[in-house]
Parts: sequence; C-alpha cells; structure tokens
Amino acid sequence: EPEVTQTPSHQVTQMGQEVILRCVPISNHLYFYWYRQILGQKVEFLVSFYNNEISEKSEIFDDQFSVERPDGSNFTLKIRSTKLEDSAMYFCASTELEEYGYTFGSGTRLTVV
Amino acid sequence: AQSVTQPDIHITVSEGASLELRCNYSYGATPYLFWYVQSPGQGLQLLLKYFSGDTLVQGIKGFEAEFKRSQSSFNLRKPSVHWSDAAEYFCAVGAREYGNKLVFGAGTILRVKS
Repeated sequence: EPEVTQTPSHQVTQMGQEVILRCVPISNHLYFYWYRQILGQKVEFLVSFYNNEISEKSEIFDDQFSVERPDGSNFTLKIRSTKLEDSAMYFCASTELEEYGYTFGSGTRLTVV
Repeated sequence: AQSVTQPDIHITVSEGASLELRCNYSYGATPYLFWYVQSPGQGLQLLLKYFSGDTLVQGIKGFEAEFKRSQSSFNLRKPSVHWSDAAEYFCAVGAREYGNKLVFGAGTILRVKS
C-alpha cells in the first residue's frame, strides 16, 4: 500500500536554529498538508498546499514557517528559527481528493533544546 | 468555530468485549468525518471515513461507525476487541466550506485487559 514517507523520524535542534522536515507524499496525490501534535495535545492543522501554493494556513503558521515542493516529489516544512514551543510531532499528509481520506506519514518528532 | 469532542480520555475494555468510542462535532457545514488510530510512536492510520450516503460505514480491522446528523455524532464501534486494538483513537472532521483542513478531537486512549 502506498505510504507517505517522512524524514527524519527524530530531530533534535538548538533553539534559534533552522530545521527542515521532509515528506514524500503519495505520487498521484494532489493535496498536501502539515499538522503537528504537541505532546499530550490535539493534532493541529498547520498548512495546506495545492497546485504549488499554500491554500490555507493556521494562526500557528507564522512567518517562521514555510513550505515548499522543490522537485515535484518532496514536500518540506521549514522552521527558520526554532523555539522551545515548536517541540512537537509533525505529520505530513496527502490526498488525491479530500473525500478519499488523508494518508498521514509516521511523523517527525522535533525536540528543541 | 468548528470543534470535535471526544468525551472519554481513557477507556478500558476486556479482550472480546464490545467497544464504542464517542465523537461529537460542532460544524456549520456538511461535514465529512474520519476515525484514525495511532499506536505509540507511530503515525495516524485511517480506520474509516464518512463522506455521504449510507450512514453506517465499515472500516479496517473490524471497526464501524455510524453518522447521526441529528445528534452530531460519529461513534466508533467494534463488536469484539482484540489486545492489538490498544492504541489512541482520534475522530476528525472536515468540510469543503472550511478549506478541507481536518479538526481533530483530543483522542481516546484504549486499553485492553486480558
């Protein structure tokens, strides 16, 4: 069964450093998403991406965050200057059509120290 | 604002017993609904979804859910729980009118005792 692949599975970074989280969505999918889950809290929407542009973003997704689909297969989330509160599990998701359901990756656990 | 409520934080059932996990939503639009399962350290696996049509939907691993519009509910059920079902279960709701992003409930942790 096709999978959404995320790398790395764990990332530890120092506060103020830039991190890039990588995702390879399912190849025929058109809609891409990033969600995050702070430990013990709900899964929260960050951003959606379609047709090479952001279609929606949440209040969390401020100027420190950016997304990119650099080569038609990867989908990346960049955090320019990490804060302690960015520590969370970050999930990438993709779908062909929304009603088909969203396939999530296994997540990247980001720890900011 | 859109919201999803899973009133039970933890549920413990005996292996072989039936299970029902509750989900209620508050949405200003016609929703589509999902149940996901997450094992520790793992991603979110789709169990089942409702978009339209028959309000009783079947999913993987023997799970089913019923959409009740009048009660704004989408409860997940399984007639006989297996020890491998122990995990955290998330209800999620989306709607085209809200840009298709999913709003998740807080999750219900299922423990299975033998």
